[in-house]
Amino acid sequence: ILNVEQSPQSLHVQEGDSTNFTCSFPSSNFYALHWYRWETAKSPEALFVMTLNGDEKKKGRISATLNTKEGYSYLYIKGSQPEDSATYLCAFLNTGNQFYFGTGTSLTVIP
Amino acid sequence: ETGVTQTPRHLVMGMTNKKSLKCEQHLGHNAMYWYKQSAKKPLELMFVYNFKEQTENNSVPSRFSPECPNSSHLFLHLHTLQPEDSALYLCASTPTISADTQYFGPGTRLTVL
Repeated sequence: ILNVEQSPQSLHVQEGDSTNFTCSFPSSNFYALHWYRWETAKSPEALFVMTLNGDEKKKGRISATLNTKEGYSYLYIKGSQPEDSATYLCAFLNTGNQFYFGTGTSLTVIP
Repeated sequence: ETGVTQTPRHLVMGMTNKKSLKCEQHLGHNAMYWYKQSAKKPLELMFVYNFKEQTENNSVPSRFSPECPNSSHLFLHLHTLQPEDSALYLCASTPTISADTQYFGPGTRLTVL
């Protein structure tokens, strides 16, 4: 069994604060790293697909970085809003085309 | 809306019942997936279908039986389940089996009594 670790497990921040969380994955047999946003009672939705070491992607106030050599990715949210409250999942895809998900970071933004 | 629907959204069944979960995608994708999420655990891949053919079965017990009659529909037939099978069952699809973004349905919350 392959471990994909996400930290912290949960996070409460005030509206307007910036925050970040981590996804750690094996540094061998790397193919891609996905980030998903999952609101309660809805479908997980894709945020980013990252494939290259040093990749940095941005969508509005959310950005992500990737370090495949050391096996981690950071997700950053700038100026958190209540609508950012969700669970953020990362998924590691290896060269065998197998997806391994983390348990997620649950973010609550307090108005 | 991701274009992937699942029915029912909630299901309560006894251990002797037989029921089915349905997934439908309107995206023209050719690969479909079943995942299980138990409390406090990561999503676990159960089955993968590519062009209606099963390509992966992650050591799933035979009381779970998948069916993919065409590229748009995926079923999970359930029989003689155990209480520990209570979980959220998510369906997903991708254009092909690759590193493509997964498009998820909202899931079926299953409770086995």
